[in-house]
Amino acid sequence: NAGVTQTPKFRVLKTGQSMTLLCAQDMNHEYMYWYRQDPGMGLRLIHYSVGEGTTAKGEVPDGYNVSRLKKQNFLLGLESAAPSQTSVYFCASTEAQAYPYEQYFGPGTRLTVT
Amino acid sequence: DAKTTQPNSMESNEEEPVHLPCNHSTISGTDYIHWYRQLPSQGPEYVIHGLTSNVNNRMASLAIAEDRKSSTLILHRATLRDAAVYYCILRGGDDKIIFGKGTRLHILP
Repeated sequence: NAGVTQTPKFRVLKTGQSMTLLCAQDMNHEYMYWYRQDPGMGLRLIHYSVGEGTTAKGEVPDGYNVSRLKKQNFLLGLESAAPSQTSVYFCASTEAQAYPYEQYFGPGTRLTVT
Repeated sequence: DAKTTQPNSMESNEEEPVHLPCNHSTISGTDYIHWYRQLPSQGPEYVIHGLTSNVNNRMASLAIAEDRKSSTLILHRATLRDAAVYYCILRGGDDKIIFGKGTRLHILP
């Protein structure tokens, strides 16, 4: 099992550019999450999904869109990147029943917006 | 807002036990207490979780107060590799999983 993988690992964008971050999991998990982590801070939930075709807003959803067309993939999109979106992005997944099962995290994507 | 309160940072000597506290005074009866840790430049990883009783696994022990308003993660013999940020999280019926700022644990050789 590869677990949770994220693509790309690093990216530099210019203000106003768009991009999509891909998260993939091979554990057949229903629930998937996108977090961002700014320097010296904890993780903040951006969006999450409780199953294929469903998405919901987290704590800091503005400026991001997500899609879950396939159960194993969860995409995070930035339509018009801003310097405030410079951060490390983590994807996570967990089993069908949201709790108490543990979350599995990917290695992160480091995004810089100039 | 995060529903847990943790110290910003702690220090411990190598090969000594570490007790990481967490307060969760508004915990509900169905909330599980989870602990994760994040090593430098990595994603968080699961450590342990519990509901009412104390729990042990190969990584750590979790001591839960009788009123469940606080808990303590215990690393029995800290090593340099245990230097990380430790997050205490409550997980209940809500699908959202919210992290706070955690406790940064420094291990002194």
